Amino acid sequence: GAVVSQHPSWVICKSGTSVKIECRSLDFQATTMFWYRQFPKQSLMLMATSNEGSKATYEQGVEKDKFLINHASLTLSTLTVTSAHPEDSSFYICSASGPGVLGGYTFGSGTRLTVV
Amino acid sequence: DAKTTQPNSMESNEEEPVHLPCNHSTISGTDYIHWYRQLPSQGPEYVIHGLTSNVNNRMASLAIAEDRKSSTLILHRATLRDAAVYYCILRDYQNSGGSNYKLTFGKGTLLTVNP
Repeated sequence: GAVVSQHPSWVICKSGTSVKIECRSLDFQATTMFWYRQFPKQSLMLMATSNEGSKATYEQGVEKDKFLINHASLTLSTLTVTSAHPEDSSFYICSASGPGVLGGYTFGSGTRLTVV
Repeated sequence: DAKTTQPNSMESNEEEPVHLPCNHSTISGTDYIHWYRQLPSQGPEYVIHGLTSNVNNRMASLAIAEDRKSSTLILHRATLRDAAVYYCILRDYQNSGGSNYKLTFGKGTLLTVNP
């Protein structure tokens, strides 16, 4: 139980375009979702926290106009990287918490974004 | 948030036990100790968590020191599929704001398993 599905698993886009990443909780209601970014050989860095129906709370240094987060339902959150540039290339991971999630948090399998 | 300290890397042989240490000398009485692991090119996955008593599940065991200032994740028989980065994280359930609590990841321990 407590499975999070993240799509796509990888995406290549041209510089200046936008990319949307989806994160769905398949068998539980995700009251809170988190978005992380991970650069090679580094740890996960939290970008933002979102609650269903509310605006996301962004970590310091994360541009909210560039990384648009929508959490319109208890089972779906999306991260849109707008006007992507090569420096946005990274591994993006979503996480969800909710009732019955063992350990409190479950993670998506990640999205490898490459901007060319 | 209370911090944890882990070795950068450890090495093990297949089918041997592995003991992954974590120091958390500033742990508070309401901090739970969580372990997650991240396999290459995947999101983290939950391994185990505990408060004071040792815990066992199908994946691993968690041994918590009596003073709770350190803990050890034990993989009883390492397999090649256990090669991953292991993260030890503290979470204060009582004062954490419920599901809004942000998990903060340190650098973790990179476990290499030799065949």
